[in-house]
Amino acid sequence: DAGVIQSPRHEVTEMGQEVTLRCKPISGHDYLFWYRQTMMRGLELLIYFNNNVPIDDSGMPEDRFSAKMPNASFSTLKIQPSEPRDSAVYFCASTPPQGLAGWAGELFFGEGSRLTVL
Amino acid sequence: AQSVTQPDIHITVSEGASLELRCNYSYGATPYLFWYVQSPGQGLQLLLKYFSGDTLVQGIKGFEAEFKRSQSSFNLRKPSVHWSDAAEYFCASKTSYDKVIFGPGTSLSVIP
Repeated sequence: DAGVIQSPRHEVTEMGQEVTLRCKPISGHDYLFWYRQTMMRGLELLIYFNNNVPIDDSGMPEDRFSAKMPNASFSTLKIQPSEPRDSAVYFCASTPPQGLAGWAGELFFGEGSRLTVL
Repeated sequence: AQSVTQPDIHITVSEGASLELRCNYSYGATPYLFWYVQSPGQGLQLLLKYFSGDTLVQGIKGFEAEFKRSQSSFNLRKPSVHWSDAAEYFCASKTSYDKVIFGPGTSLSVIP
């Protein structure tokens, strides 16, 4: 089965440019999470969705960050304008519906998108 | 607020030696608890999870963890470490609000 798919894997851009990161969750999963990983701050939860609806975006650092989930199989994280301090690895993760046997809310991660803002 | 702490930033062990990575959580009720492993340049992979039942849980790659409510701990153990276990290890907790938060991670180095 295909796992969580993220694109691009690597992105190098200049300060002020718009960046769009994409995520395709595992089919049938109803939660989707966006995390940011840096050396200084570790893994930070930015936002998460349930059935395509944003539930908690309190981790989004600034208004420059926005996330959407137009359907169950696609989500985007956009940074506009980007700044050097946004450089990080951005992970998308999904979880299966709660009704499944043995469910514990474990996260299935993509391989991440490494963003470098110059 | 809910939090997860991992007191050890970095641990070095010799191959074949035993390993214990510490994790403490703060949450009133019994949380869902997880250990994930991250190899360089990769995403996180679930090692094991606890949400009820037996407090000693077995995971993949020979890892186990023990939930101790009295100590608010969920320490990860392995009796004999292999060089391929060198990676970053994250403890995580999930509340009833479905939010999963991670500890800062422990970097494991293995000496041949």
